[in-house]
Amino acid sequence: DTEVTQTPKHLVMGMTNKKSLKCEQHMGHRAMYWYKQKAKKPPELMFVYSYEKLSINESVPSRFSPECPNSSLLNLHLHALQPEDSALYLCASSQRTGGRWETQYFGPGTRLLVL
Amino acid sequence: GENVEQHPSTLSVQEGDSAVIKCTYSDSASNYFPWYKQELGKGPQLIIDIRSNVGEKKDQRIAVTLNKTAKHFSLHITETQPEDSAVYFCAAQNYGGSQGNLIFGKGTKLSVKP
Repeated sequence: DTEVTQTPKHLVMGMTNKKSLKCEQHMGHRAMYWYKQKAKKPPELMFVYSYEKLSINESVPSRFSPECPNSSLLNLHLHALQPEDSALYLCASSQRTGGRWETQYFGPGTRLLVL
Repeated sequence: GENVEQHPSTLSVQEGDSAVIKCTYSDSASNYFPWYKQELGKGPQLIIDIRSNVGEKKDQRIAVTLNKTAKHFSLHITETQPEDSAVYFCAAQNYGGSQGNLIFGKGTKLSVKP
């Protein structure tokens, strides 16, 4: 089973709202990722958690706040977003084996629209 | 840093024909090369991958070849079917590096006409 689940599937929010995206995997993976994907573009890495610790933060604005409460869950907290933040937000996970980063498996994504 | 170029950006074939998508990478430290298929409204799905100690890998109608010297790798799909229509992304990674980030190509939109 290589399933990564994400909720919600769709989200519409105003610029003053606070919302959260959720991601879950039960494959025992110890690395989890958030990507942002605009239409007709490849995914862009935002954050990487390795063993529940933030490993990479790709200069993402502070209005995006990641959280990894345990090895199976990854959240992305959203606050004061801009219309240009509208995109598909993808979560992925991978195993870590002796320091190696293994294959990444993606979830279906959350389609976010900021009004 | 790593840079991945992918060609063509769009590809249209007749059902039953073969399709080839090519990628080049710049960082010789990259040693893992996955291919993802993304259908409209869905997340990327891994279809095949190859590590740098292997020159070719095949899975039914899909194959990937890697030329480490030239720093390029290719996806080959034989006997294409309409359900192969999607956007395909190649990627490169140094799986032993300090960071696990995948560097993606810009994608190829494949259309298979019945």
